[in-house]
Amino acid sequence: AQSVTQLGSHVSVSEGALVLLRCNYSSSVPPYLFWYVQYPNQGLQLLLKYTTGATLVKGINGFEAEFKKSETSFHLTKPSAHMSDAAEYFCAVSGPYNNNDMRFGAGTRLTVKP
Amino acid sequence: NAGVTQTPKFQVLKTGQSMTLQCAQDMNHEYMSWYRQDPGMGLRLIHYSVGAGITDQGEVPNGYNVSRSTTEDFPLRLLSAAPSQTSVYFCASSYRGGPQHFGDGTRLSIL
Repeated sequence: AQSVTQLGSHVSVSEGALVLLRCNYSSSVPPYLFWYVQYPNQGLQLLLKYTTGATLVKGINGFEAEFKKSETSFHLTKPSAHMSDAAEYFCAVSGPYNNNDMRFGAGTRLTVKP
Repeated sequence: NAGVTQTPKFQVLKTGQSMTLQCAQDMNHEYMSWYRQDPGMGLRLIHYSVGAGITDQGEVPNGYNVSRSTTEDFPLRLLSAAPSQTSVYFCASSYRGGPQHFGDGTRLSIL
């Protein structure tokens, strides 16, 4: 079975500062890894995903994440935070043959200060 | 495309009542799932389906039933509502190996 741990339930950054949201995973099979964003009263939107191949994955809105197998990590970064980035972010993991059975982290709420 | 459509958006029930949360997708996705979202716990998988006629349990299936008679629809049934089932419920669909597409959620309160 897979699992995900997101370090830090709340992260606060200033506008223009680096955003770093941490995610560590556990999986007995090669993982598929995802980051989703949720704005208030909405569903989840996919930011980016890693399945196979290049370990640095670029997503929407300037976000990227790097798959590091040796560290079992998939941290999300953005060089310069924007006020519109304020939301809740979820890391998720699934196996390669059953992406239906997706396990989510508890979420990290990002606050961006002017 | 409508994507994933969930109805109703809000519902209040009394303990012991039953109800069905509806989910429909128009993307011809094989896979569909139901999650519940509770504060500080992320999303937890209730049930999922890999195709019409095939369903399986996720992490927290107790108190819920599902069926998948068509590719498009995947209803979630609460058999006898309990206050512990107060939550936000999300339906999602995907093709095999692809990312999940989520509906906007159903906010359910059980008194």
